[in-house]
Amino acid sequence: QVQLKESGPGLVQPSQTLSLTCTVSGFSLTSYNVHWVRQPPGKGLEWMGVIWSGGNTDYNSALKPRLSISRDTSKSQVFLTMNSLQTEDTGIYYCNRGFAYWGQGTLVTVSS
Amino acid sequence: DVVMTQTPPSLSVAIGQSVSISCKSSQSLVYSDGKTYLHWLLQSPGRSPKRLIYQVSNLGSGVPDRFSGTGSQKDFTLKISRVEAEDLGVYYCAQTTHFPFTFGSGTKLEIK
Repeated sequence: QVQLKESGPGLVQPSQTLSLTCTVSGFSLTSYNVHWVRQPPGKGLEWMGVIWSGGNTDYNSALKPRLSISRDTSKSQVFLTMNSLQTEDTGIYYCNRGFAYWGQGTLVTVSS
Repeated sequence: DVVMTQTPPSLSVAIGQSVSISCKSSQSLVYSDGKTYLHWLLQSPGRSPKRLIYQVSNLGSGVPDRFSGTGSQKDFTLKISRVEAEDLGVYYCAQTTHFPFTFGSGTKLEIK
């Protein structure tokens, strides 16, 4: 069945770079797009960006200068990299397939 | 960015009652292909979002037919008939017609 699972460091220091991995199973990254969405504690959802099945990417313009999404199709993994992290970047980061299937999320805390 | 305005922000209903949630967008959500990419998600407490409805009125996989979606252009409604205890959580509308994709601020459903 379709599954997505996020993984990452959990704690990142301010001004440092965040690297997250979304490992998928049950489908091919060359056939479906994968989005990243984040949620600050107690707040709503924010779309960050997408890597399309063809490999192209689109980003939220508010994050674009700091954000990069890539993939390794042979490993069924999608990567999120975001630099210059600040405390307001703290939250749960989700990957999802076309908004239909979601991972469990990974909590990222930005703190010294 | 397309602003998604959800109302009400919260509601409390008894089991078996019906409820409606409104979502209004600042721009028409009709894409150039003629389709309307307006979706409804439910985030149960402590869980990842789950897609209920896609493209205004299509029921997601495994979603009970107590849920229904209607609307067009800029005005959309989610209706839940015969509310059950498992329906509690925060409901979000989301649009994937215009970049950046955006979410409503959420409607918190509580059970009386």
